[in-house]
Amino acid sequence: QLQLQESGPGLVKPSETLSLTCTVSGGSTSSSFYYWGWIRQPPGKGLEYIGNVNYIGTTYYNPSLKSRVTIFVDTSKNQFSLKLTSVTAADTAVYYCARTVWGRSVRYFDYWGPGTVVTVSS
Amino acid sequence: SYDLTQPPSVSVSPGQTAKITCSGDALPKQFAYWYQQKPGQAPVVVIYKDSERPSGIPERFSGSSSGTTITLTISGVQAEDEADYYCQSTDSSDSSNWVFGGGTKLTVL
Repeated sequence: QLQLQESGPGLVKPSETLSLTCTVSGGSTSSSFYYWGWIRQPPGKGLEYIGNVNYIGTTYYNPSLKSRVTIFVDTSKNQFSLKLTSVTAADTAVYYCARTVWGRSVRYFDYWGPGTVVTVSS
Repeated sequence: SYDLTQPPSVSVSPGQTAKITCSGDALPKQFAYWYQQKPGQAPVVVIYKDSERPSGIPERFSGSSSGTTITLTISGVQAEDEADYYCQSTDSSDSSNWVFGGGTKLTVL
C-alpha cells in the first residue's frame, strides 16, 4: 500500500523560505509512470495546486506561484521536496503531497499524504 | 486564469440523490476529476476521467459530462457522504496548469 508523509517546520517567519519533504513508502519515486505533486489548503478554504515533479526532475508549476516555487526529487531517498520563497501570511495552509497519475490527457492525484500545517508568522 | 465553478453548498435528505455541478470552458476538451474531503482528512478521488470510479469507491458515486459542465451524482445518499467535494481539471491552453473548483459542501439533512 502506497503511503506518503509530509515533514518540515510547522512555523515559518515572513519573508523566509518554506521547505517541506514528502517521504514515499510502498512505492518508488523512480517510477516513470507517475509524477509527484504538492497541493495546499488555506484555513477554511479550498484546494490550490502548487506543482508536480517526475523521476528525472521535470517540473510543472502553478503559474501564480511559479516565481517562488521549486519542487525537486531525490530518488535515492525516495523523497520529493517543496521550497516556497518569500512567504507571507497568505501562504499559511495545510500542505499535502500526493502521487500524480500522469498519462495521455489524464492528470489527477490518486494517493495523498495526511497533510502538514504550516503557519507563517513572526 | 482558468476557473472551475461549483455551487457552495448542496443539501439532501438520506436516501435521496445529490447532484453537484462544476462548470468550466475547457471541460469539453479536458478530463475532469472529483475529490471527496471529510473534515481533518486528505482528499480522496471518487471519480476520474469524467465518469470512471476507482476501486473501493461505492457504486452510488457516478460522474457525467455535458458541454462545459460536469456532474457528480450520489444516488441513495448516506450520512457518511457528508463532505466537501472538489472538481479538478486542466487548462486546455496550458495543460500544466491544474485547477480545482472552489468546492461544494454536501449536507445530509
